[in-house]
Amino acid sequence: EIVLTQSPATLSLSPGERATLSCRASQSVSSHLAWYQQKPGQAPRLLIYDTSNRATGIPARFSGSGSGTDFTLTISSLEPEDFAVYYCQQCDRPVTFGPGTKVDIK
Amino acid sequence: QVQLVQSGAEVKKPGASVKVSCKASGYSFTHYGIHWVRQAPGQRLEWMGSINTGNGYTAYSQKFQGRVIVTMDTSASTAYMELSSLRSEDTAVYYCLRDPSGSPFDWFDPWGQGTLVTVSS
Repeated sequence: EIVLTQSPATLSLSPGERATLSCRASQSVSSHLAWYQQKPGQAPRLLIYDTSNRATGIPARFSGSGSGTDFTLTISSLEPEDFAVYYCQQCDRPVTFGPGTKVDIK
Repeated sequence: QVQLVQSGAEVKKPGASVKVSCKASGYSFTHYGIHWVRQAPGQRLEWMGSINTGNGYTAYSQKFQGRVIVTMDTSASTAYMELSSLRSEDTAVYYCLRDPSGSPFDWFDPWGQGTLVTVSS
């Protein structure tokens, strides 16, 4: 089973700032990585699939990059609605998820 | 729009079973697999199992093998997850998810709203 680690655990930023979230896999997952956003009391929502493809309706301020074992989710300029928990997920079966990065308001 | 609607919260006693439903709408049910993931307090999201809605083939996490069964009713566009021999550690929110990837590499969109299952004596 592939283990994912995410850093930092918490990111404290102000609206308008750039957020850079990291996800590292215990072995190569090629480009098969997805990112989700979860707000309190809600189900996770797909943001990015296959490392860099934005899901339908996801704003362009969200972007993904990386390959192999190291991946990054970037939010170019934080909007108030972006403060949430972000999870990475590797897509090889059995799929596994990272522990999450909480982006909160500084 | 594409939507997955799950059944309501459940409270069960240790040793009992729970069956959660997931009704799909807005797309052809048999075209995309359905997966189940749970989120226990303070724990990672955890994949439990899946069903190929085209042929009924199921796959399960080794952790839950023997305790979880995923089924479907294509006429009702509904998938089901049954978890047996419940223990307190099974207290979690259970989600159904659609896999639109069309490949052996699974990602999920959308997710159901979640069903809280509480196991308590």
